[in-house]
Amino acid sequence: SYVLTQPPSVSVAPGQTARVTCGGNNIGSERVHWYQQKPGQAPILVVYDDSDRPSGIPERFSGSNSENTATLSISRVEAGDEADYYCQVWSSSTDLYFFGPGTKVTVL
Amino acid sequence: QVQLVESGGGVVQPGRSLRLSCSASGFTFSNYVMNWVRQAPGKGLEWVAVMSYDEDYKYYADSVKGRFTISRDNSKNTLYLQMDRLRAEDTAVYFCARDPGGGYFSNRFDPWGQGTLVTVSS
Repeated sequence: SYVLTQPPSVSVAPGQTARVTCGGNNIGSERVHWYQQKPGQAPILVVYDDSDRPSGIPERFSGSNSENTATLSISRVEAGDEADYYCQVWSSSTDLYFFGPGTKVTVL
Repeated sequence: QVQLVESGGGVVQPGRSLRLSCSASGFTFSNYVMNWVRQAPGKGLEWVAVMSYDEDYKYYADSVKGRFTISRDNSKNTLYLQMDRLRAEDTAVYFCARDPGGGYFSNRFDPWGQGTLVTVSS
């Protein structure tokens, strides 16, 4: 098993930067992916391989990963960014996939 | 465009079985690794199972190993999840999700279907 930790909630004012952390033992050695999920909708991939963006995802979404913490940053936050965000890794030692518990981002 | 549509959910008694389907379109299904991920009501995401494009590799979460079976029919562009000996804690929305690696494991999920709800209750 690989345990990932995330803060339950993050609040941010419009136009500011939201940072969502994902903690894990030596997570810096893993590739971290981030998903956005709005109520009643399926998740969508917003950042993959720590810091890459799928096509169609705004440049406002970025990621980093080092040592024991990966971070999703959302700059110039908009009301439409309000959602749950999940980090995810694949464990090479077990061939299994793990999600963090999720962080609810609230735009004030 | 890439589309995944799940079906087969419903209400089932504990100990019974159910089979979910995921119909794929808009891409060459036989070239992609496919996954099932679930989400209990009001809870987070939990990965369930993965299958390689050629059916050679299957992996399961510990919570479902021995009870659930993932399979695919590439001629029908369809992914399946056979769920046996269901428990109340299996109640969730079940999503199918493509691994976008195109023939190899990139170990992420993109895109996802809209999900199908499975309720295990007597």
